[in-house]
Amino acid sequence: EIVLTQSPGTLSLSPGERATLSCRASQSVSGSNLAWYQQKPGQAPRLLIYGASTRVTGIPDRFSGSGSGTDFTLTISRLEPEDFVVYYCQQYGSSPQTFGQGTEVEIK
Amino acid sequence: EVQLVESGGGVVQPGRSLRLSCVASGFTFDDHAMHWFRQAPGKGLEWVSRINWNSGRIDYADSVRGRFTVSRDNAKNSLYLQMNSLREDDTALYYCVKGGVALVSFFDYWGQGTLVIVSS
Repeated sequence: EIVLTQSPGTLSLSPGERATLSCRASQSVSGSNLAWYQQKPGQAPRLLIYGASTRVTGIPDRFSGSGSGTDFTLTISRLEPEDFVVYYCQQYGSSPQTFGQGTEVEIK
Repeated sequence: EVQLVESGGGVVQPGRSLRLSCVASGFTFDDHAMHWFRQAPGKGLEWVSRINWNSGRIDYADSVRGRFTVSRDNAKNSLYLQMNSLREDDTALYYCVKGGVALVSFFDYWGQGTLVIVSS
């Protein structure tokens, strides 16, 4: 089973700043089959990115994903107030699919 | 518009049973694997179970194997989770999640969840 480790656990930033979230896999993720989700309080997770870098239709272009192999990154170019929530990465390159433990982006 | 609507949650004593249901719409249900996830209060996401399109392949997390049973009725566009021998650590919000055509995929649609509280 591939273990995904997200860092940092909590990221403290101000609106307008750039956020860089890391997701590291314990072994290579096949086909760059990595997704990112956003979860707001009281809501279900929402898919942001799949295939490491493909943004879902309707997701603002301030969200971007990159990486391959074992190291992946979600970047939020300019934080908006609604972006201060929790983000999860997920690999689906091999079974079982697994999630990271999450990164919370909080207002500094 | 894809919709996944869960029901069946509630408060139950340890050792008792509960059956969750999920009704899907807006996509071809029997083309897709379906999954159950859960999220304990203040915790991360935990995958619970998955079932492929024709119920021919079913998998469970170690934490629920032998106690939970997933099933589906493609004629009714419905997914179920029979939960027996419930424990306090099963307390969580349970999500019905649309999978891909393959068993392993990203998850583009989630229900809003149904809350299960196991408490004496």
